[in-house]
Amino acid sequence: QKEVEQNSGPLSVPEGAIASLNCTYSDRGSQSFFWYRQYSGKSPELIMSIYSNGDKEDGRFTAQLNKASQYVSLLIRDSQPSDSATYLCAVKSGNNRLAFGKGNQVVVIP
Amino acid sequence: DGGITQSPKYLFRKEGQNVTLSCEQNLNHDAMYWYRQDPGQGLRLIYYSQIVNDFQKGDIAEGYSVSREKKESFPLTVTSAQKNPTAFYLCASSRDSTALYSNQPQHFGDGTRLSIL
Repeated sequence: QKEVEQNSGPLSVPEGAIASLNCTYSDRGSQSFFWYRQYSGKSPELIMSIYSNGDKEDGRFTAQLNKASQYVSLLIRDSQPSDSATYLCAVKSGNNRLAFGKGNQVVVIP
Repeated sequence: DGGITQSPKYLFRKEGQNVTLSCEQNLNHDAMYWYRQDPGQGLRLIYYSQIVNDFQKGDIAEGYSVSREKKESFPLTVTSAQKNPTAFYLCASSRDSTALYSNQPQHFGDGTRLSIL
């Protein structure tokens, strides 16, 4: 089982709609969870971090964490063309290493 | 401005040649990391260092070497033993050096694209 798994395939959403991204992880002891945005040809940029069960909102972004089910999700409300990017889920394990998923490409259609 | 500087942005390697990628940070972070990203793939950890003069192998260390002589600097050498070096190389740093600060995120430099001539 891969450490961090993200849904495969690009996600196309109309402008103004909600984009929903999911991520599951295998290490039940993981405590820190991050979402990075990566534009094509650029480096990853941290957009959200979450450490406790529940929701965390920051602007148009909401991260949701469920440790019992071992998943973390990211919602992008009112999607804009500038949100078109690849979103990487990252999970920090007890050895302080980050494990990354392969990413979800989001395409916002004007 | 505080940040992580990687150089060069683009690098070409001849067969049999070693090349060194530079990574410098002025964030006063203890931990530094090197990742490799191939098209359509996630990030894979090459080496990491949690403190000066110490570093550990990541998941794909073969064909690479690093040093950590200064807190600010963590250069990566891609040796001739790395037969498939073409990739996007990313350096990151974070504040934590121990599990006490395990919630600290990693921040990335702009990356170096390495290709074979």
